[in-house]
Formats: sequence, structure tokens, C-alpha cells
Amino acid sequence: NAGVTQTPKFQVLKTGQSMTLQCAQDMNHNSMYWYRQDPGMGLRLIYYSASEGTTDKGEVPNGYNVSRLNKREFSLRLESAAPSQTSVYFCASSEQGGIYEQYFGPGTRLTVT
Amino acid sequence: AQTVTQSQPEMSVQEAETVTLSCTYDTSENNYYLFWYKQPPSRQMILVIRQEAYKQQNATENRFSVNFQKAAKSFSLKISDSQLGDTAMYFCAFSTQGGSEKLVFGKGTKLTVNP
Repeated sequence: NAGVTQTPKFQVLKTGQSMTLQCAQDMNHNSMYWYRQDPGMGLRLIYYSASEGTTDKGEVPNGYNVSRLNKREFSLRLESAAPSQTSVYFCASSEQGGIYEQYFGPGTRLTVT
Repeated sequence: AQTVTQSQPEMSVQEAETVTLSCTYDTSENNYYLFWYKQPPSRQMILVIRQEAYKQQNATENRFSVNFQKAAKSFSLKISDSQLGDTAMYFCAFSTQGGSEKLVFGKGTKLTVNP
């Protein structure tokens, strides 16, 4: 039982490049989330998927897209990376919605130069 | 909009002592849930404690307990018998029941436990 896994763990991009962050959970959870963590800002929600087949914007969605590929997988795509997207990205999942415990992946440290 | 405020960016405590981390929140909802998450230097976020707003009894988990004051919209975390492994960032978070499924986080308190 791996919980929530994320790939890659580290990534360096040049401005304008694109990439996809992958996330998978093996707990049969319905809800999945993408957050970014910046110093002094806490965690901010980028996008979430309340259940398979649905996605919704969070607090900071600009510059990102997501795909809920199936119940297990939820990917985050940066189409044209910008230095402002330098951050640590966390994927999380929960049984159903924000009132339940969220289980987090180990994070991806992304640097955009 | 719901907001969560942690007024102490950093705190320190001696090993074996007790420390309290503050959290206040703002909401017009009546049914909601409050959480404390811990993020050690390894970066792995884990749940410390969860409180349901309709329950008057304060939640406890071993050395961790909360002081939940609904009228004051306050949700502080008390760590008793602090251990070196408690050194971490602590985030207070809030979610409404039947709402938009979003968990709103505070900006965190960095706690250092000194030997």
C-alpha cells in the first residue's frame, strides 16, 4: 500500500517549457487535490477533483490544467512554465471531500529558470 | 470567504515542556471541520488531529489536544511533553460540510523543539 505517489520528485524547467506532474493513489479515494507550497504562504489549492470525471478550480488555477485520468490518477500540467511557478507541488487524496483526512504525496520541487 | 489565521510564524519549546499553537478562522457556516497537519523537515504532510464543529468535546490524540472555542472561532493545538520529533511546520486547516470540498490552510507555524 503505497498511499499517494508523485513523479517526479525534482524538476528544473526553462521558461516556456511544458511538463506534467503525475499523481496516483491506491486507497480507492474519490477526491484528489493539487496544492502548491511557497515560503510564508502555506498550501494553496490549485485544482481539485471531488470525484472521478469532475475537476474544479481552486485558489490559484492560472497557468495550470488538470486531468482526472481515472479514479486512481490525477495529473497537473504546466503548458508554458513561468518563474512564478517555481514551488513545491503536493498531490493529496481523501475518501470524499474536504471534511475527511487528506493523505499527501511526498511533493515535487519544481524550479523554473 | 473562509480564512484561517496562524499568528505565530515561529515558536520554540524545550524538550518535555508544553507548547500551544494558535489558530483562528472566519466563517459564517455552522457545520465545519478543523484540522491540524504536521510537516516535518522530510516534507511529508500528515494529519495530527481533526475536530468536528458540532462536537463540544475537544479532540485529543495522545500528546496532542485542541482547545476548540466555537464562539471565538479559535482552534489552538497543545503539544504536551514535547519531543525532538515534534519539530515541524504545523498547519491549521478548515473545511465546511456540504460545501465546495475545499480545505483552506493557514500559513503555518514553524515549531522547533530544543534539547
